[in-house]
Amino acid sequence: SQQGEEDPQALSIQEGENATMNCSYKTSINNLQWYRQNSGRGLVHLILIRSNEREKHSGRLRVTLDTSKKSSSLLITASRAADTASYFCATVHSGSARQLTFGSGTQLTVLP
Amino acid sequence: DAGVIQSPRHEVTEMGQEVTLRCKPISGHDYLFWYRQTMMRGLELLIYFNNNVPIDDSGMPEDRFSAKMPNASFSTLKIQPSEPRDSAVYFCASSNWAVSPDTQYFGPGTRLTVL
Repeated sequence: SQQGEEDPQALSIQEGENATMNCSYKTSINNLQWYRQNSGRGLVHLILIRSNEREKHSGRLRVTLDTSKKSSSLLITASRAADTASYFCATVHSGSARQLTFGSGTQLTVLP
Repeated sequence: DAGVIQSPRHEVTEMGQEVTLRCKPISGHDYLFWYRQTMMRGLELLIYFNNNVPIDDSGMPEDRFSAKMPNASFSTLKIQPSEPRDSAVYFCASSNWAVSPDTQYFGPGTRLTVL
């Protein structure tokens, strides 16, 4: 079953704008990851944030984690049409061995 | 380096037929995962292996599903007999414990349609 929910389910923005996606989860985690899935393709790992970290950057990506609220956000700055994809958060539960539990995903459309 | 390889990319079969999906993980990776993705249920973990040994198959929906990993470079997911509700995209993923234990690398998926 899915660990959490993502919000919004769909997001449409103009090229150059920032996109923010949120993820909530239910149980204690070891780490949280974000993956991207282009239409008809497999998932691609974007970034991982550990439970003792609060913020992490990678290029135009910024991830925050609030373990007290059991939530995370992914910010994509200066979006491009090529960023159009579905974005999933995935969690590794504390005590679980290497299993990822995926959220429901946010479909991002960046309009040129 | 080649990524995770899955075959076939598309499979159309009739209800009752046996279906075999194949996966070649990234060389050197010691974990292999099988997922199923549908609109209704999202991404579900079916089973995963560590060093060719099945660790957790609690996600396998029913006895019609079976998975094997005879060696470090090959795994199969078999459905026998197939049913229309098995229609989904099946992904294989692998990871390397020593390098990055929780980062998974996904194959392109097999889109299965059972008529």
